Amino acid sequence: SAVISQKPSRDICQRGTSLTIQCQVDSQVTMMFWYRQQPGQSLTLIATANQGSEATYESGFVIDKFPISRPNLTFSTLTVSNMSPEDSSIYLCSVEGPGRTDTQYFGPGTRLTVL
Amino acid sequence: SQQGEEDPQALSIQEGENATMNCSYKTSINNLQWYRQNSGRGLVHLILIRSNEREKHSGRLRVTLDTSKKSSSLLITASRAADTASYFCATTPEETSGSRLTFGEGTQLTVNP
Repeated sequence: SAVISQKPSRDICQRGTSLTIQCQVDSQVTMMFWYRQQPGQSLTLIATANQGSEATYESGFVIDKFPISRPNLTFSTLTVSNMSPEDSSIYLCSVEGPGRTDTQYFGPGTRLTVL
Repeated sequence: SQQGEEDPQALSIQEGENATMNCSYKTSINNLQWYRQNSGRGLVHLILIRSNEREKHSGRLRVTLDTSKKSSSLLITASRAADTASYFCATTPEETSGSRLTFGEGTQLTVNP
């Protein structure tokens, strides 16, 4: 399986600021996804990061709040914009591929605390 | 809303015992996967079972799938303290494109030494 790294691993941020989270994979993958896990909760899909085009967002998530980039097949970023304490969560990227394997592998996550 | 519901929400057993966790879902699926998460870290993929499969094994893990009841179970045999973690099922609904996963609420398993 692919080796996935995320930066930063954790951060404490002030209300109203933005944080960009990076996801790097050691091999080319077909699909990359971003999930949010609020404290004590399960994972919720934010969006699918599409290479070379705009991300596909799930219901309840918008590009202005969570802009995503995917410039190539091994890298993606998620920005959490204009943060509030309700954004305090673990943010995880996952990958599938190359090709359609149906199995997703997850990065170690970024633990974000907003004060 | 979450596709899957898991029970129990929390399970505490002694080392050496078996642990069974259940997952139910609402719509037809392409496949169902089980993941483990240790203390808020990243998820570790355990096993994938496709909609045309009924049972699958991997080491001490046994997964069953009953599409008529829209349910799955994960059995961990001869549990160890290191198995202490949260376990999530995740489904790929049949009507969705791509491989978007919908997660259940998870079961917190504690294995006491």
